[in-house]
Amino acid sequence: EPEVTQTPSHQVTQMGQEVILRCVPISNHLYFYWYRQILGQKVEFLVSFYNNEISEKSEIFDDQFSVERPDGSNFTLKIRSTKLEDSAMYFCASSGRSPLHFGNGTRLTVT
Amino acid sequence: AQRVTQPEKLLSVFKGAPVELKCNYSYSGSPELFWYVQYSRQRLQLLLRHISRESIKGFTADLNKGETSFHLKKPFAQEEDSAMYYCALSTGTGNQFYFGTGTSLTVIP
Repeated sequence: EPEVTQTPSHQVTQMGQEVILRCVPISNHLYFYWYRQILGQKVEFLVSFYNNEISEKSEIFDDQFSVERPDGSNFTLKIRSTKLEDSAMYFCASSGRSPLHFGNGTRLTVT
Repeated sequence: AQRVTQPEKLLSVFKGAPVELKCNYSYSGSPELFWYVQYSRQRLQLLLRHISRESIKGFTADLNKGETSFHLKKPFAQEEDSAMYYCALSTGTGNQFYFGTGTSLTVIP
């Protein structure tokens, strides 16, 4: 069964640094998403992406965040200047029409 | 506005006991409802969706439009059911998904 893959599985960075989290969605999916889960808390929606543009974003997704689909397979989340509170598990998901299929996540630790 | 409510943050049941995880939603249109499960340190996985009307791992969920609920039920809980469960709603517009805050289920041996 096809899967959403995410790299790296764990990223450690210093506060103020830029990070790029990478995702390869399922190949025939059209909708792409990023979610965040701070340790011990709920899954929070960040952004959805369709037809090469952001279709919806949450209040968490401020100017420090950006998404890109640089080629036909990758979907990236960039955090320009990381803060301590960005430490979380970041899940990529993709969908045809429905349902969502999630990747294993990238654990981001900001020190 | 779309909203998914899971009133129980934590739920503990004994092995073999029935379990019900509550989910209520508010949406003015016709939503699609899902249950996702997250086992310890793993990805969220689709458990079931209302349009499939199937039973997965002994779990069932019925969409009650009158009560706007989609409660997840299992007659006999197993230890391996211990996990985080998220109810989710999808709208037809833009294929958006909205998650509840999750219920952490612990099955006591």
